[in-house]
Amino acid sequence: DAGITQSPRHKVTETGTPVTLRCHQTENHRYMYWYRQDPGHGLRLIHYSYGVKDTDKGEVSDGYSVSRSKTEDFLLTLESATSSQTSVYFCAISRANFGTGETYGYTFGSGTRLTVV
Amino acid sequence: AQTVTQSQPEMSVQEAETVTLSCTYDTSENNYYLFWYKQPPSRQMILVIRQEAYKQQNATENRFSVNFQKAAKSFSLKISDSQLGDTAMYFCAFKSGSARQLTFGSGTQLTVLP
Repeated sequence: DAGITQSPRHKVTETGTPVTLRCHQTENHRYMYWYRQDPGHGLRLIHYSYGVKDTDKGEVSDGYSVSRSKTEDFLLTLESATSSQTSVYFCAISRANFGTGETYGYTFGSGTRLTVV
Repeated sequence: AQTVTQSQPEMSVQEAETVTLSCTYDTSENNYYLFWYKQPPSRQMILVIRQEAYKQQNATENRFSVNFQKAAKSFSLKISDSQLGDTAMYFCAFKSGSARQLTFGSGTQLTVLP
């Protein structure tokens, strides 16, 4: 497996507090992603990164920021958590052959269940 | 923008029987990939099967196979000889050759009944 870990696995926080979720990979993959999973919506992209300090927004990026200072770490920050950000958050890495353009999908972390009360 | 639609929020099947989960997608591109992911109660996302759009042959992985209809933009998953361990949420996903990310459907919760 890719060796991708997320922390924490569960977190309860209060409205208005900042929260940072961490994703760590051990195989030097270039692309990393943060998704949120909500009933009826599947997985929706928050932000992604295509290299150190290179990031871009996804479809549900409002209220979230990301940072990638090292290849292996991709952080997701909720600057001021709201109840609408209660969700399960997944980090993923892309398995692709950039030489041929072939893509093999993602490998996912085990997810973080975040509850904002 | 690409969209992926899974029109069956929930399905059930008897153990040992066959079930088909449907997925449709919308794209104007010709080069793309399609995936089915399984999410059991453990929450882990597991890749079940992958299909390249330029390949006519339907992908198979043991008891899992797909019916890929490119003209109809349909990508259904067939599970044969269903087992209790197949109980999970199943997500269909799409990636065009030009995109940097996967787009997911809303999921189908499959329950295998003993």
